[in-house]
Amino acid sequence: TQLLEQSPQFLSIQEGENLTVYCNSSSVFSSLQWYRQEPGEGPVLLVTVVTGGEVKKLKRLTFQFGDARKDSSLHITAAQPGDTGLYLCAGEENRDDKIIFGKGTRLHILP
Amino acid sequence: EAQVTQNPRYLITVTGKKLTVTCSQNMNHEYMSWYRQDPGLGLRQIYYSMNVEVTDKGDVPEGYKVSRKEKRNFPLILESPSPNQTSLYFCSAETMTEAFFGQGTRLTVV
Repeated sequence: TQLLEQSPQFLSIQEGENLTVYCNSSSVFSSLQWYRQEPGEGPVLLVTVVTGGEVKKLKRLTFQFGDARKDSSLHITAAQPGDTGLYLCAGEENRDDKIIFGKGTRLHILP
Repeated sequence: EAQVTQNPRYLITVTGKKLTVTCSQNMNHEYMSWYRQDPGLGLRQIYYSMNVEVTDKGDVPEGYKVSRKEKRNFPLILESPSPNQTSLYFCSAETMTEAFFGQGTRLTVV
């Protein structure tokens, strides 16, 4: 089974700062998703990336899939308190249709 | 509105008493999946289904069964629950570009 390592595990920063969350693996994924999860709720899909080198933007969030499709990053510009939450990356394995999740990054934006 | 509905939301049961957690989707997605989420371990896939009558093991299938007799429903069955199956369970329905999760079932096995 492939592993997805997310870093950092926890991040607490001031409102207005920029941040980057990383999702890394030694293996190749056919696609990778980023989710945000609020307490007591299911994960909500933010974006799916499928092509190596792909960059997608969602307002202040920028997602990038590595050229080799082994890693991805989520960059937030000018973080807001509303960005607080658990961010998860998930990848679909190349060999079969299993999906594996990283353990998540718990982000706290201080007003 | 796209929806994945799990029932029940909360369940406390005793060791060995068979239970079923239901999952239903209204989007006609072919791929459905069950996950458990545990502190420090994140979300782990239990079983997934590519289509009706097609199911496969995820990373942690031991102690669980699933069935996919029709596209919209994907129940999770615990034939003989044990305390180590106490967890938060999520069902999902997905395509290549979108994924919807249920609101979760918090199961406690005593």
